[in-house]
Amino acid sequence: AQTVTQSQPEMSVQEAETVTLSCTYDTSENNYYLFWYKQPPSRQMILVIRQEAYKQQNATENRFSVNFQKAAKSFSLKISDSQLGDTAMYFCAFMNPNTGNQFYFGTGTSLTVIP
Amino acid sequence: GAVVSQHPSWVICKSGTSVKIECRSLDFQATTMFWYRQFPKQSLMLMATSNEGSKATYEQGVEKDKFLINHASLTLSTLTVTSAHPEDSSFYICSALRGPHGAEAFFGQGTRLTVV
Repeated sequence: AQTVTQSQPEMSVQEAETVTLSCTYDTSENNYYLFWYKQPPSRQMILVIRQEAYKQQNATENRFSVNFQKAAKSFSLKISDSQLGDTAMYFCAFMNPNTGNQFYFGTGTSLTVIP
Repeated sequence: GAVVSQHPSWVICKSGTSVKIECRSLDFQATTMFWYRQFPKQSLMLMATSNEGSKATYEQGVEKDKFLINHASLTLSTLTVTSAHPEDSSFYICSALRGPHGAEAFFGQGTRLTVV
């Protein structure tokens, strides 16, 4: 199994501010996908953003963007203009399309947006 | 986005009985589905990969005889927890892959299993 590490168990941010969640991973593969998923209290997993490893350009989705550093095996998520609805668990995930498409998740970061 | 429906959302069963959880892709065909287990305030742990028409592939440490997986059609995978014990109580989540490269995974809403 791949190793995905999220070193921040809990974080908080003031509403409208910016916060960055960290993620590192370990792989010898060159082609893979990285994801950030959000899990609100409902427990439904929601895709936030996806990055393909062969693309150098960092993915962005509205207020969400990533800083993908392939050589450093780092994949951080930046949330701009934080909203109360962003309060949730955030999981970083790794997927290798060459070995069965399994997703491997980090331990998660609990983010609280403070009004 | 695509919809994956998991049923039931919660179930309580007696120790020693079996319980079946269904995972359906409602608007796309999924040759591959995955089953995860999530303990409170912890991450999703991959249990097994379910491929339509073939035997499931289990992760190391997962008892295949205890967690039976069947993927009989392109839209349905089932997880049966056999001879359930209280330690099997957990939150079980399925996901289904859409697309040839598997880069789109859609998750069910999860099933909370409580064994009493």
